[in-house]
Amino acid sequence: GAGVSQSPRYKVAKRGQDVALRCDPISGHVSLFWYQQALGQGPEFLTYFQNEAQLDKSGLPSDRFFAERPEGSVSTLKIQRTQQEDSAVYLCASSTLAGGPYEQYFGPGTRLTVT
Amino acid sequence: AQSVTQLGSHVSVSEGALVLLRCNYSSSVPPYLFWYVQYPNQGLQLLLKYTSAATLVKGINGFEAEFKKSETSFHLTKPSAHMSDAAEYFCAVSDQAGANNLFFGTGTRLTVIP
Repeated sequence: GAGVSQSPRYKVAKRGQDVALRCDPISGHVSLFWYQQALGQGPEFLTYFQNEAQLDKSGLPSDRFFAERPEGSVSTLKIQRTQQEDSAVYLCASSTLAGGPYEQYFGPGTRLTVT
Repeated sequence: AQSVTQLGSHVSVSEGALVLLRCNYSSSVPPYLFWYVQYPNQGLQLLLKYTSAATLVKGINGFEAEFKKSETSFHLTKPSAHMSDAAEYFCAVSDQAGANNLFFGTGTRLTVIP
């Protein structure tokens, strides 16, 4: 079956531009997570949705970062006025249910380069 | 708060040799522990997870890990390395009361020498 997909796979933005990154989770998955993975580092948690509700956004690094999941399926991570420090791979993951040790299925990521 | 420390950012082993990747965790509550593998330009794939059942956990591709509470460790092992095991490995922790967002270590890159 289809896994988690993300688009675009690669994005180059000039500093100050706005970008939108899309995540299509596995159909029926309740939970959706966004992570940021800087070069040579492990992924770091950004935000979490349970269906359409954003229950945790404690990892968003600034108010330039905004995420939504309006219908409880597709999610978009938006970064306004991009800065060079935003350059990273942005990973989306989904899991079947809320809470618990349920496996998170990761997408291939979007590599954002801010020039 | 939860955190993970992975000792050794790079590990090299010969094909057929034992693989040992180290992970120590810190958690104020009983943890869930995970090992993920990441191949180039791909997303992370779950190898195995500890969920407070058996302390010795077996995963895919012949990997296993043992939860040792006294040592706060969750090291990953494989008896015999294969060339296809070359990848980046991440240990992660989440707490049993939370939403299961993961806290990852910085990763260990495994190289397998033929």
